[in-house]
Amino acid sequence: DAGVIQSPRHEVTEMGQEVTLRCKPISGHDYLFWYRQTMMRGLELLIYFNNNVPIDDSGMPEDRFSAKMPNASFSTLKIQPSEPRDSAVYFCASSWSSEQFFGPGTRLTVL
Amino acid sequence: GQQLNQSPQSMFIQEGEDVSMNCTSSSIFNTWLWYKQDPGEGPVLLIALYKAGELTSNGRLTAQFGITRKDSFLNISASIPSDVGIYFCAGPFTSGTYKYIFGTGTRLKVLA
Repeated sequence: DAGVIQSPRHEVTEMGQEVTLRCKPISGHDYLFWYRQTMMRGLELLIYFNNNVPIDDSGMPEDRFSAKMPNASFSTLKIQPSEPRDSAVYFCASSWSSEQFFGPGTRLTVL
Repeated sequence: GQQLNQSPQSMFIQEGEDVSMNCTSSSIFNTWLWYKQDPGEGPVLLIALYKAGELTSNGRLTAQFGITRKDSFLNISASIPSDVGIYFCAGPFTSGTYKYIFGTGTRLKVLA
């Protein structure tokens, strides 16, 4: 049974470019979460969805960040325009209960 | 704001030793989760706790939900080199939701 799938695993881009991170949750899970992990701030929740509807986006740092979940098997996190301070590892997680299962992450480097 | 403090921040231990770490919250939790993260990977769920006083094991790992509901403990018995990694605790930022806050992590290094 496949776990949470994220792509790409690594992304290097230049400041000002648009970045799109992708996530496929575990089949049957109705919650999807986007996290960001940095050395300074640890693991932070950015936004989460329930049944494809955004429930809480209070962790989204600013308007440059947006997330969508067009269907139960796909979500995107977009950064436009990207800045060097966005460099981090971005994780997607899914769940059907309190137990969240994480993907392998996307390591984003913005030059 | 709500905080989760983990202790110790890091530890070196000898293979075969037992390890203890804890997590303290500034507010009451109704759920505690413990995760392990290996380098370059996402956190993996180890143990979930749902009741105050609950003691749950997963192989050599044992976790406890503190009686005060503001703390939790994770013990690893007879550590082995593959126990190396970062251990995170997590709890609901808001009771009754799946919005979780993660602790600062305990980095474990095992000396063979």
